[in-house]
Amino acid sequence: GEDVEQSLFLSVREGDSSVINCTYTDSSSTYLYWYKQEPGAGLQLLTYIFSNMDMKQDQRLTVLLNKKDKHLSLRIADTQTGDSAIYFCAEPSWGYQKVTFGTGTKLQVIP
Amino acid sequence: GAVVSQHPSWVICKSGTSVKIECRSLDFQATTMFWYRQFPKQSLMLMATSNEGSKATYEQGVEKDKFLINHASLTLSTLTVTSAHPEDSSFYICSANQRSGGRNYGYTFGSGTRLTVV
Repeated sequence: GEDVEQSLFLSVREGDSSVINCTYTDSSSTYLYWYKQEPGAGLQLLTYIFSNMDMKQDQRLTVLLNKKDKHLSLRIADTQTGDSAIYFCAEPSWGYQKVTFGTGTKLQVIP
Repeated sequence: GAVVSQHPSWVICKSGTSVKIECRSLDFQATTMFWYRQFPKQSLMLMATSNEGSKATYEQGVEKDKFLINHASLTLSTLTVTSAHPEDSSFYICSANQRSGGRNYGYTFGSGTRLTVV
């Protein structure tokens, strides 16, 4: 089955870059997602990457995918206090019947 | 974009009572909806997959008689926590998968329901 791991906590200063890492075990996913969860709220899709891509850039967000090592990362440039949240990587199962979420990384941005 | 509305946002109920949580897809039809549970400082745990017009598929360890799921239409799924107890207190989140013409448009999440059983 799928197993998605993330580091639990990351603290950065405002204006610095943040890099959140994720490792997964199921290599059959067509997409991989990054979600953001603010306190007491649902999940917001930040970005996604096709499995046949190595990199995707979307404004301040850069996603890197290393399929060989099954490693996914999310880089947030010029991190702002509003970026403080929990970030989840996620992969859908074959046929999109369900999504497996990573353990979540809490990002703390220090002013 | 796709919007999923979840109600209520928070609810406090007495032990032994039942609580119903609604999840609606507002601008698309959702053949499949998912119900998750999230404990404090933890990731989302899939409870069940809800398919319109058929019985829900529950994950291992989730009591189907305690967490009743009904997906009567393409835009509404409900989760009823029956005979709630304090250990059922948690954050419940629904998600809908938008698919059309054989194409998958991804997953949209509701804003979650904070359930507190006293």
